[in-house]
Amino acid sequence: SQQGEEDPQALSIQEGENATMNCSYKTSINNLQWYRQNSGRGLVHLILIRSNEREKHSGRLRVTLDTSKKSSSLLITASRAADTASYFCATDEYGGSTLGRLYFGRGTQLTVWP
Amino acid sequence: DGGITQSPKYLFRKEGQNVTLSCEQNLNHDAMYWYRQDPGQGLRLIYYSQIVNDFQKGDIAEGYSVSREKKESFPLTVTSAQKNPTAFYLCATLGEVNTQYFGPGTRLTVL
Repeated sequence: SQQGEEDPQALSIQEGENATMNCSYKTSINNLQWYRQNSGRGLVHLILIRSNEREKHSGRLRVTLDTSKKSSSLLITASRAADTASYFCATDEYGGSTLGRLYFGRGTQLTVWP
Repeated sequence: DGGITQSPKYLFRKEGQNVTLSCEQNLNHDAMYWYRQDPGQGLRLIYYSQIVNDFQKGDIAEGYSVSREKKESFPLTVTSAQKNPTAFYLCATLGEVNTQYFGPGTRLTVL
């Protein structure tokens, strides 16, 4: 299975601290994405990084990708209580036959305390 | 949650009963997906449709059925053959650059 695995499963920090979560996957990809899910809600796309990119920024988010290690990290800087959510990485499959097929990990539950 | 609506938000099913979850989108996207999410788990693909009048099984299609008669609509039926249907169900569409847009979800509970 291509399913990614996030690490850690849960992360608890204080407001203002940085939060780092990691994702590992198994097969070659075209791109890797990170999604956020607030409790009981749908997922929201955060950022996409292509396989030929090593780092990407969007606001307080920084994503890195190491295709040789098949891993990615998501860094949220200066975290806020509103960042409390589950974060999922999602990968496609290089050469995959299904349009838009994504493989999701189990997620990292981030709790940011005021 | 963008232009995707799911209804109802909460659904209760008696054992042996079929129920249908609605998913409607106004994003004009061709491809649509149904996922199941269990506590502490990632999303598992049930069915997907790349175009009207066509759909394919995902990884856990047993006990589920779908239709795609209109571009805007992709309803999911949970049949009595699905032995453990209690879960959170998410519908998604495919936008640009392989990005998926999700609805708000339906929480199904078997009584």
